[in-house]
Amino acid sequence: NAGVTQTPKFQVLKTGQSMTLQCAQDMNHNSMYWYRQDPGMGLRLIYYSASEGTTDKGEVPNGYNVSRLNKREFSLRLESAAPSQTSVYFCASSDRLAGEQYFGPGTRLTVT
Amino acid sequence: GENVEQHPSTLSVQEGDSAVIKCTYSDSASNYFPWYKQELGKRPQLIIDIRSNVGEKKDQRIAVTLNKTAKHFSLHITETQPEDSAVYFCAVSGAGSYQLTFGKGTKLSVIP
Repeated sequence: NAGVTQTPKFQVLKTGQSMTLQCAQDMNHNSMYWYRQDPGMGLRLIYYSASEGTTDKGEVPNGYNVSRLNKREFSLRLESAAPSQTSVYFCASSDRLAGEQYFGPGTRLTVT
Repeated sequence: GENVEQHPSTLSVQEGDSAVIKCTYSDSASNYFPWYKQELGKRPQLIIDIRSNVGEKKDQRIAVTLNKTAKHFSLHITETQPEDSAVYFCAVSGAGSYQLTFGKGTKLSVIP
């Protein structure tokens, strides 16, 4: 099992460009999450999907959109990137409410 | 929303000594308290968790204690080793919630 995978690993964007971060899990988990990690700020939840067909905002959703494509895949889209979105983005999945979350390897995004 | 405070932000200990990291939370209905370890450049990984109906949980050299009355929980690492050097994050989840709120992290350095 690959667990949680993310693409790309690194990305550099110019202000105003758009891109989609891809996440997939092969553990048959119902719930999936997108976090951003900034120095000294811990992990902050952007969006989550409790189950296939549902998505909800987390703590910092502004400037992002998500799509739960199917049970395996959960993508994060930046429509018009801003320097404030420079961060490391982690996708995670879990098989139940209030259970262990398994993280992907992360995407390091720089917006210039 | 939930507020999680984590202290200290950095901690240096001599190899073989104990390390203690403490987190406080604001929502008395919170019922799930995991701890994650993140090595440099890697993904966060769960090391131990506790639920609100338990006061203490141990797993070899690590333990977590929960004081629901005071709304705080702590990670204890005994007989520290250089490979324990990492950033540790506490997190909190409320009853019926899919969301984890993370503390800002503690950078632990174990000096050989």
